[in-house]
Amino acid sequence: ELKVEQNPLFLSMQEGKNYTIYCNYSTTSDRLYWYRQDPGKSLESLFVLLSNGAVKQEGRLMASLDTKARLSTLHITAAVHDLSATYFCAVDRNYGGSQGNLIFGKGTKLSVKP
Amino acid sequence: GAVVSQHPSRVICKSGTSVKIECRSLDFQATTMFWYRQFPKQSLMLMATSNEGSKATYEQGVEKDKFLINHASLTLSTLTVTSAHPEDSSFYICSASQTILGGYTFGSGTRLTVV
Repeated sequence: ELKVEQNPLFLSMQEGKNYTIYCNYSTTSDRLYWYRQDPGKSLESLFVLLSNGAVKQEGRLMASLDTKARLSTLHITAAVHDLSATYFCAVDRNYGGSQGNLIFGKGTKLSVKP
Repeated sequence: GAVVSQHPSRVICKSGTSVKIECRSLDFQATTMFWYRQFPKQSLMLMATSNEGSKATYEQGVEKDKFLINHASLTLSTLTVTSAHPEDSSFYICSASQTILGGYTFGSGTRLTVV
């Protein structure tokens, strides 16, 4: 059974600081996703990582994937208040085939303070 | 880009009644859609996979007769919560996979409150 673990679950940062959120998963998969959720809203897609060593960057966020270690990271650079949200990683359950469905981590609630 | 429209965004219903939630893919065909439930301050839990023209596949522990899923066309899937009870109050989110762009697109979610 695929399990996805995220840490930390809560993260309070000061503006301007850097930090990394970690996402471990328990069985082989070749598709990993990062999403952002604002309170009361649905999910916004941030990154789709499809291969070992994949690295993607958008603004102050950078995501990477190591399929051998079954680990993905979401790195935050010089945090700003607008990044405050809950971040989820999710792993596609159907490895090697057509898109299956997603198993989500518990989420990391990020709060960026001035 | 790929857009999934979900309605209603909020619904309040009385205990014992049924509520239908619609999920439409607006600019692409979605042969497969997924329904998730999210309780406050928790993660998303997959309820079922909806396949166009066939029966939905439900996750373990999800009652098929309570959460009726219909995927009658390539652009529409519906989730009906039958005989709703207060414990069914939750945030329900649909998503569709899109083969061209890869990944999944999520609807805006439906907050169901059963009183």
